[in-house]
Amino acid sequence: RKEVEQDPGPFNVPEGATVAFNCTYSNSASQSFFWYRQDCRKEPKLLMSVYSSGNEDGRFTAQLNRASQYISLLIRDSKLSDSATYLCVVKETGFQKLVFGTGTRLLVSP
Amino acid sequence: NAGVMQNPRHLVRRRGQEARLRCSPMKGHSHVYWYRQLPEEGLKFMVYLQKENIIDESGMPKERFSAEFPKEGPSILRIQQVVRGDSAAYFCASSKTGDSYEQYFGPGTRLTVT
Repeated sequence: RKEVEQDPGPFNVPEGATVAFNCTYSNSASQSFFWYRQDCRKEPKLLMSVYSSGNEDGRFTAQLNRASQYISLLIRDSKLSDSATYLCVVKETGFQKLVFGTGTRLLVSP
Repeated sequence: NAGVMQNPRHLVRRRGQEARLRCSPMKGHSHVYWYRQLPEEGLKFMVYLQKENIIDESGMPKERFSAEFPKEGPSILRIQQVVRGDSAAYFCASSKTGDSYEQYFGPGTRLTVT
């Protein structure tokens, strides 16, 4: 079983749509959670951290359910520029390495 | 304020040659991490270094791969006797402290083994 699992997609949505991605992680010792964005053949960039209480940054909302070991990302009012691969990332207590999911690809069309 | 720098951006090596990948962390950062992304796969952690010390190399293949972060100069990821399966994008990240939540990634080096 993979440490971090994501639906690879692609998710094809029109501009303005709301889209949600899910992610599950297997290690209950995971302490920190993030969503990164990776554009084609480029480096991953931090989109947002994910907190237990849930957090929002503009059109983006992240949720964490520790009991179910489940993380989500909601994107509202999708823009063409949101087209990218979204990476679910966890970090275990006491370790500095990031553990990446394989990513979910989003394609936003006009 | 320059970000993480990696060079070369693209590297082509024949099977059996050596590959040297360099990473200069962001200014003020003394923690460096190397990740590898195979085609159509997620990023996989390889090694975590501080100046002159390897802290965690649990993701490094046991043979042919080594990493260093000397007191002066960039971090180096060295792959000896490359094979076709080493073809991948190698990303370096840096952070200010070991407890820092955010790791800043460089643009990567794309290694192609022919």
